[in-house]
Amino acid sequence: QVQLVQSGAELKKPGASVKVSCKASGYTFTNYYIHWVRQAPGQGFEWVGIIDPSGGRTNYAQNFQDRVTMTRDTSTSTVYMEVSSLESDDTAVYYCARRFCFGGTACQYDSWGQGTLVTVSS
Amino acid sequence: AIQMTQSPSSLSASVGDRVTLTCRASQGIRNDLGWYQQKPGQAPKLLIYAASSLQSGVPSRFSGSGSGTDFTLTISSLQPEDFATYYCLQDDSYPWTFGQGTKVEIK
Repeated sequence: QVQLVQSGAELKKPGASVKVSCKASGYTFTNYYIHWVRQAPGQGFEWVGIIDPSGGRTNYAQNFQDRVTMTRDTSTSTVYMEVSSLESDDTAVYYCARRFCFGGTACQYDSWGQGTLVTVSS
Repeated sequence: AIQMTQSPSSLSASVGDRVTLTCRASQGIRNDLGWYQQKPGQAPKLLIYAASSLQSGVPSRFSGSGSGTDFTLTISSLQPEDFATYYCLQDDSYPWTFGQGTKVEIK
């Protein structure tokens, strides 16, 4: 079955960087885009960006353009998201999610990682 | 970015009730909308895609409708396991955007 397994919780100081991993299994890794979204405590969701595991092409939300980098390792079926210059407002659960397109056109997230809590505190 | 507005932000209902949740887009998004259920401490679960198509394995008491800017998620007979927060998500254009959620609580 499709599984996305993320790395564990992180505690970082303001100004630091964090790198979260998302290991995929149960499907052909290069066939499906992976998105990253975040959810601040008790809040809704914010879209961070997307990576095409096949060619590595990325598209980031404007709010994160200068601070986020998404990469992938096809040998281990793992995608990574690195966020730099962390602030307290970046405290959130970060999720990776697989984009599945039903009938080739209607796309949604059919599988999610378990989430990684990133806490930014001095 | 397209803004998604859900209403109400929360509601109280009883087991067996029919419940309707609403999601409105700031501009037309055709039927490029999904609905998700999230329980505390869990990742969201896809219920509906393409505004009205039921995801495999999701009970038939869940249904979606709408097109353009106005969408609804209906639970025909609320079950104990349905108490959760529900989110809409537009996939019409990047950045994908979520509604702020509707929390369905036990009356």
